[in-house]
Amino acid sequence: EAQVTQNPRYLITVTGKKLTVTCSQNMNHEYMSWYRQDPGLGLRQIYYSMNVEVTDKGDVPEGYKVSRKEKRNFPLILESPSPNQTSLYFCASSGLAANTGELFFGEGSRLTVL
Amino acid sequence: AQKITQTQPGMFVQEKEAVTLDCTYDTSDQSYGLFWYKQPSSGEMIFLIYQGSYDEQNATEGRYSLNFQKARKSANLVISASQLGDSAMYFCAMRPISGNTGKLIFGQGTTLQVKP
Repeated sequence: EAQVTQNPRYLITVTGKKLTVTCSQNMNHEYMSWYRQDPGLGLRQIYYSMNVEVTDKGDVPEGYKVSRKEKRNFPLILESPSPNQTSLYFCASSGLAANTGELFFGEGSRLTVL
Repeated sequence: AQKITQTQPGMFVQEKEAVTLDCTYDTSDQSYGLFWYKQPSSGEMIFLIYQGSYDEQNATEGRYSLNFQKARKSANLVISASQLGDSAMYFCAMRPISGNTGKLIFGQGTTLQVKP
């Protein structure tokens, strides 16, 4: 089954404790991206990746890091989480960045930073 | 600026009736995709329907149809024969070709409540 898998789905952590949200896709997609969703703001792009070893900042990259060492994986790293990073996070993928077609979303990861 | 506007924060509809959720967009791109996603209370983003900017006919997927009016830059979602399970947040989104970021630009969403 074609899917984007995120882990963990739910996480409560404390300020400053490094964490990683993993994302994996099995569709051989070149393009992957991270979004965060906050009430009243919709979804906003954090980082994106055109292909292996190619990543770039989205609209709200502060406080986040990413890496793309393998085509299927695109982890989101919070080196020192803060309460304003409490949010619902989505990973998404598609065939190409220069593409107006569908992005496939993971199920979301709900993060709370105390 | 590229933008999606959903002017209805919340809507009610009676079960079995049709409902239209409004969406307008702003872009100078000639090539773009328009999407609707459903987000139930469980949180996942469920893809509903897609319209390409060069598609001449309105997209339909089961009970969902997209009323695409390119000159007016509107992409309203029509849900026919509403069901209780349609109660959710609905997002309109656009994926323009320019900038090469692959980004989906989302509206703020419309919460739909279906009444029995």
